[in-house]
Amino acid sequence: ETGVTQSPTHLIKTRGQQVTLRCSSQSGHNTVSWYQQALGQGPQFIFQYYREEENGRGNFPPRFSGLQFPNYSSELNVNALELDDSALYLCASSSDRGVGSPLHFGNGTRLTVT
Amino acid sequence: GDSVTQMEGPVTLSEEAFLTINCTYTATGYPSLFWYVQYPGEGLQLLLKATKADDKGSNKGFEATYRKETTSFHLEKGSVQVSDSAVYFCALIGAGNEKLTFGTGTRLTIIP
Repeated sequence: ETGVTQSPTHLIKTRGQQVTLRCSSQSGHNTVSWYQQALGQGPQFIFQYYREEENGRGNFPPRFSGLQFPNYSSELNVNALELDDSALYLCASSSDRGVGSPLHFGNGTRLTVT
Repeated sequence: GDSVTQMEGPVTLSEEAFLTINCTYTATGYPSLFWYVQYPGEGLQLLLKATKADDKGSNKGFEATYRKETTSFHLEKGSVQVSDSAVYFCALIGAGNEKLTFGTGTRLTIIP
């Protein structure tokens, strides 16, 4: 069974640039969620995709957007990067929108905005 | 909205000591409760869960009991090991919700 994989593992960008982070779901999972974890904090929910449609969104501005593909892999796009976007971005997959079923997390992408 | 309040760290214990990390929550309805662990340089791993009142989750010697009357889900282990050093997160999924709400995490260091 293949777990959740994220790429790249580390990334450095300049303020104002755009970034795309990628996630491959665990086999058999149709739901992907993205979380932002600032240093020393708990992860914060960005949004969730279920069968290629957004299924819920946290308190993040529209410059955070996402996609889910037919194979259930996913992308997180962030436009007009700000210094506060520096964080660990975690992808998690689950079945059936995660209701009652645990999320399986990848190791994350560490984004640094300078 | 939903929230999780977790015991502030860092916590430092000697090997074989007893561990308690406190967690309380606020949520409407009957949430599912979780403990996740994050080892250095890694993502989050599910440690244990409980989905209804009085359920006890357990794994790797860790236990937590879903206490609805006190809205708590404290993590315990009878004898910690150096390999238990990590950051521990209490979390919940509210009824009918799609997102995990996390506490701020507790960094645990076990010294030999």
